Amino acid sequence: AQTVTQSQPEMSVQEAETVTLSCTYDTSESNYYLFWYKQPPSRQMILVIRQEAYKQQNATENRFSVNFQKAAKSFSLKISDSQLGDTAMYFCAFMKSISNQFYFGTGTSLTVIP
Amino acid sequence: GAVVSQHPSWVICKSGTSVKIECRSLDFQATTMFWYRQFPKQSLMLMATSNEGSKATYEQGVEKDKFLINHASLTLSTLTVTSAHPEDSSFYICSARVGSGPTQYFGPGTRLTVT
Repeated sequence: AQTVTQSQPEMSVQEAETVTLSCTYDTSESNYYLFWYKQPPSRQMILVIRQEAYKQQNATENRFSVNFQKAAKSFSLKISDSQLGDTAMYFCAFMKSISNQFYFGTGTSLTVIP
Repeated sequence: GAVVSQHPSWVICKSGTSVKIECRSLDFQATTMFWYRQFPKQSLMLMATSNEGSKATYEQGVEKDKFLINHASLTLSTLTVTSAHPEDSSFYICSARVGSGPTQYFGPGTRLTVT
């Protein structure tokens, strides 16, 4: 079974500062994907960033980057230059390549303080 | 990007009645759609995988006779909550898979309240 753990239920960061959200996962699969999704108060799930497990290079998307440590099964999200619009719930998710089913972590509620 | 819609966005029904939720991929064909349930301040829990033209695959613990899923076309999947009870009140979200890869798009969700 796949499990995804987010150990930080709530976090806050000052506007323009940098914050890192933690995520660990457990799997015996060799081919998989990892994702970070943002869920603002509207409840719409928004893809932040995706990482293919076979790629060693960490994914980046503008102010968002990940630190993917495959051996440690760790997948943290770094948000640089935090903006008020980044305030949301953030979910780490695992997907098996074969099934395309998501397994979500419990989420981290991020608040950006002006 | 691709758009997935859900209808209705919010529904209130009486205990014992059934309610249908639609999930549509508006500008792409989705051979696979997924249904999730999310309780307040909790994560998304996968309920079932819906493949066009075949029976849905339900996750362990999900009652298939209570949560009826139909994927009649490449752009539409429906979730019917039968004989709804107050404990079925939740936020239901669908996602649609694009092609054969890992890309999925999520619908905006449907809030179900059973009184």
